[in-house]
Amino acid sequence: SAVISQKPSRDICQRGTSLTIQCQVDSQVTMMFWYRQQPGQSLTLIATANQGSEATYESGFVIDKFPISRPNLTFSTLTVSNMSPEDSSIYLCSVQTEGGHNEQFFGPGTRLTVL
Amino acid sequence: AQKITQTQPGMFVQEKEAVTLDCTYDTSDPSYGLFWYKQPSSGEMIFLIYQGSYDQQNATEGRYSLNFQKARKSANLVISASQLGDSAMYFCAMRVSGFQKLVFGTGTRLLVSP
Repeated sequence: SAVISQKPSRDICQRGTSLTIQCQVDSQVTMMFWYRQQPGQSLTLIATANQGSEATYESGFVIDKFPISRPNLTFSTLTVSNMSPEDSSIYLCSVQTEGGHNEQFFGPGTRLTVL
Repeated sequence: AQKITQTQPGMFVQEKEAVTLDCTYDTSDPSYGLFWYKQPSSGEMIFLIYQGSYDQQNATEGRYSLNFQKARKSANLVISASQLGDSAMYFCAMRVSGFQKLVFGTGTRLLVSP
């Protein structure tokens, strides 16, 4: 398994501001992902964070709104830009371990409320 | 396209009883993996169990077992001897070979009563 930490664990932000969420893993991993879970909903993949190159975004998500950095194999950040109340969600970092069944593990999540 | 369906929005079970949470999936790819996660009210996603499409036996992890019926495209989670701490949302997810992302179902909220 992998131990994943996220900062901040929760935040309350004003409309129009931006928040950067950090994800740290205790071991080097190739695959890191960012998911969003809107209130009462399931998880949706925002993007795959690629080390050394631009992130790969899913349909409906764009780099200008959700810029992602992946400077090394243990760390990534997701920024939620120009926030609106619709961005209120739990944002989860996930990593895929290599070997075994290539399980995916999740960080504790960042609970974001936008006023 | 890949799809996961969880038809039970909520389930109730008494402590110490077993409960089955349903999950059906749809994919035309012969190679895929199925996952179950538990999400308590804190919001974290806890990995429970994995089943590969080519696995001959049903996966088991402690009190969790996966009833994998490939022909029916179902991957039901069985929790034996339920505990109060099992109360949470449970999500079924699938990953298809060649793609790294997980596709999630809508979840089932399990409530364990004393």
